[in-house]
Amino acid sequence: DAGVIQSPRHEVTEMGQEVTLRCKPISGHDYLFWYRQTMMRGLELLIYFNNNVPIDDSGMPEDRFSAKMPNASFSTLKIQPSEPRDSAVYFCASRTQHRDMNTEAFFGQGTRLTVV
Amino acid sequence: AQSVTQLGSHVSVSEGALVLLRCNYSSSVPPYLFWYVQYPNQGLQLLLKYTSAATLVKGINGFEAEFKKSETSFHLTKPSAHMSDAAEYFCAVSEGSGTYKYIFGTGTRLKVLA
Repeated sequence: DAGVIQSPRHEVTEMGQEVTLRCKPISGHDYLFWYRQTMMRGLELLIYFNNNVPIDDSGMPEDRFSAKMPNASFSTLKIQPSEPRDSAVYFCASRTQHRDMNTEAFFGQGTRLTVV
Repeated sequence: AQSVTQLGSHVSVSEGALVLLRCNYSSSVPPYLFWYVQYPNQGLQLLLKYTSAATLVKGINGFEAEFKKSETSFHLTKPSAHMSDAAEYFCAVSEGSGTYKYIFGTGTRLKVLA
């Protein structure tokens, strides 16, 4: 398996523009997570899905952020409009559901977003 | 709610010296604990995870961690540091009650001195 695949790896955009980040989880994984990493706040969980259904979006910072998972192999995180403070590395991760909850999450390489 | 605390945002050790990275957790139920490593411009990679089968857990690259319930700790150690160990290390707890989400510590950046 190729692992969790994120695109693009780098994104530079102007303030006010719409940004869409993409993620392909590992095949067969039931859970998908979106994290944001910054120097100031570390790794923050934004939202996670189970079987394509959003379970907890309490970490989504503002209404400008939205996430979808139209099918088991694809998810998007959209920021509209983007602001400079959204600059961060965004990670997608997936894990499988197991009655033993000690399964690990697998992370993608991340998307480095810069909003100027 | 569960949480993890990593003491020391930066740790420096000499090559060949013992590595000790600290992690304490807060949990009202048996925790599921993990250590991840992040190399520059990379995603997070699992080092090791705690299972209830053994309190001393061995991971990749010579790392190990010991679960101590009485101290609510899960410190990461390596007997002899290598230059290639320089990275950021994250401790994480997986919430119980079927939520399946991870809570990460703030990370510890390890620097290895020649």
